[in-house]
Amino acid sequence: GQQLNQSPQSMFIQEGEDVSMNCTSSSIFNTWLWYKQDPGEGPVLLIALYKAGELTSNGRLTAQFGITRKDSFLNISASIPSDVGIYFCAGQLRGYGGSQGNLIFGKGTKLSVKP
Amino acid sequence: KAGVTQTPRYLIKTRGQQVTLSCSPISGHRSVSWYQQTPGQGLQFLFEYFSETQRNKGNFPGRFSGRQFSNSRSEMNVSTLELGDSALYLCASTKGTAKNYNEQFFGPGTRLTVL
Repeated sequence: GQQLNQSPQSMFIQEGEDVSMNCTSSSIFNTWLWYKQDPGEGPVLLIALYKAGELTSNGRLTAQFGITRKDSFLNISASIPSDVGIYFCAGQLRGYGGSQGNLIFGKGTKLSVKP
Repeated sequence: KAGVTQTPRYLIKTRGQQVTLSCSPISGHRSVSWYQQTPGQGLQFLFEYFSETQRNKGNFPGRFSGRQFSNSRSEMNVSTLELGDSALYLCASTKGTAKNYNEQFFGPGTRLTVL
């Protein structure tokens, strides 16, 4: 089936550092989404992107919809302890515009605090 | 505003049994999507219901089924349970009438363990 390659799989952060993660695919997407999931909870939407080239911010978070429509990145600036968690990218393939389901998810990037 | 409710939160079953999970979406939302989350496969789309009709279906065997009631509440059923069905089952609630993921909310999930 379709896959999203999300990297890195995990990373350690120190408070104040900037963080970057990205997702790539061989398929074209018409929507890119970024979520954060904390233990015992469902994913929470951070940023939604609907147009190629779109750059959107949500506080310290910035995400972009790649021009080729096959990739997206998420940046977190000046990280704080509560940023720890698992971040997922998700996309909806071109052709599913009439639906809000059928999302394809990356495997996640786990952010942890540097010991 | 009440969030998405999933019941039960935890469930233990044995192989061969069947199970029914429930999802109550946010009031006014007419679309419910179901996802299976496992450590190995990540989040995978099961199906989406809108106004009591299945709008999309993921690549799962026929043992997985669902339905939606007139009040938008949704149930999913898994028959003849297998060990590999152990997972966190998440439902997502949206209005379903426009492609606006900012109105999409996930429930906390049902943790199913198959012994």
